[in-house]
Amino acid sequence: DQQVKQNSPSLSVQEGRISILNCDYTNSMFDYFLWYKKYPAEGPTFLISISSIKDKNEDGRFTVFLNKSAKHLSLHIVPSQPGDSAVYFCAASVLGGGADGLTFGKGTHLIIQP
Amino acid sequence: KAGVTQTPRYLIKTRGQQVTLSCSPISGHRSVSWYQQTPGQGLQFLFEYFSETQRNKGNFPGRFSGRQFSNSRSEMNVSTLELGDSALYLCASSSFTGADTEAFFGQGTRLTVV
Repeated sequence: DQQVKQNSPSLSVQEGRISILNCDYTNSMFDYFLWYKKYPAEGPTFLISISSIKDKNEDGRFTVFLNKSAKHLSLHIVPSQPGDSAVYFCAASVLGGGADGLTFGKGTHLIIQP
Repeated sequence: KAGVTQTPRYLIKTRGQQVTLSCSPISGHRSVSWYQQTPGQGLQFLFEYFSETQRNKGNFPGRFSGRQFSNSRSEMNVSTLELGDSALYLCASSSFTGADTEAFFGQGTRLTVV
């Protein structure tokens, strides 16, 4: 049973446009959400996070939106750049130590086209 | 500040053998988690160690085990290897102050079972 779902295995966006990556979760105990970026042959790199007390967190070109009632979060990248091409993982956890560590989605492969 | 170091980077083992992977966390981090990444299942949580104690465990068989030493370095062991154990094994370290569960990942160990 996938508790964190990224329904789009891949996404292609033109350079300079906005990239929107989506993530849904089912476990209402999750209260901390993170996005990681992964290049081939490297470990995931932390991008941005949001706690459930907020509905938006922004860091430069990256903004994460959280809709708790819909159990949905999204990552917006604007403007998209070629270096953004990577696999993006959504992850969720319960603050204070959940029994399952970080729960990851299966990832979305973002391709930025020139 | 050195990042998370995993050794070896690549391993080829035969079915039935056992393997030990090593992870050195970021200096000062006391929490070490292990994840398995496969194309079909994405990133799945194996277990987490904190101060030499296994604190959380994912849904993996007992063939997967680990330990943490007093210097926070961690090892993961897989016994009686199966073909399906071929995967990228990622280690993540965290300071785990309670308010921030951001994890920093190593580059991973690519295990191939033949």
